[in-house]
Amino acid sequence: QVHLVQSGAEVREPGASVKVSCKVTDYTLTELSMHWVRQSPEKGLEWMGGFALGTHEALYAHEFQGRLTMTEDTSTDTAYMELGSLRSVDTAVYYCATLGQEQMIDYWGQGSLVTVSS
Amino acid sequence: DIVMAQSPFSLAVTPGEPASISCRSNQSLLNSNGFHYLDWYVQRPGQSPQLLIYLVSTRASGVPDRFRGSGSGTDFTLEITRVEAADVGVYYCMQPLQTPFTFGRGTKVEIK
Repeated sequence: QVHLVQSGAEVREPGASVKVSCKVTDYTLTELSMHWVRQSPEKGLEWMGGFALGTHEALYAHEFQGRLTMTEDTSTDTAYMELGSLRSVDTAVYYCATLGQEQMIDYWGQGSLVTVSS
Repeated sequence: DIVMAQSPFSLAVTPGEPASISCRSNQSLLNSNGFHYLDWYVQRPGQSPQLLIYLVSTRASGVPDRFRGSGSGTDFTLEITRVEAADVGVYYCMQPLQTPFTFGRGTKVEIK
């Protein structure tokens, strides 16, 4: 069983950036395909991006291209999601999640609330 | 992008009675490998979403057989044969056939 433990809530001003971490336990990051999904009342669940199974190519939803950066530190089994140029509509709970072999999201982190407000 | 439409928006069910949720995509979810890529997730109050069913009808580990997925092409259904109090939550369909993966807006299941 994969356990994903995310960093805590953050508050940022519009125009700033935020970096959310996701620590993997009971597996190593190199065995996993890590993805990021966010949830807001306005838009529901939105897939933001992730690393493809097999090739590990970084894939981004076009809405986030240019301001989303996903990185991985394999020495600590921690994945990171950094979102820049924040706007109030980016206020959401951000989840890290792993993609299983059949393309399903099989494990989810507990979520990190990011609030964008001046 | 593939658009996923779910219905109904909400459902109030008497314990022991069945419930059915519909999910439709605006293009076929059939992959060239012969499998349809359609998943179901449930988000119970205060929790993260969790996987219920993948590839239309395969239950995730630990999911009781009261949960049944069916469908093909663009039309899919999640059925709960006998609803229990623990089934309260919001149910989402998702297509992982192509990026961006996209979700339905959810169906809230409540107990009468």
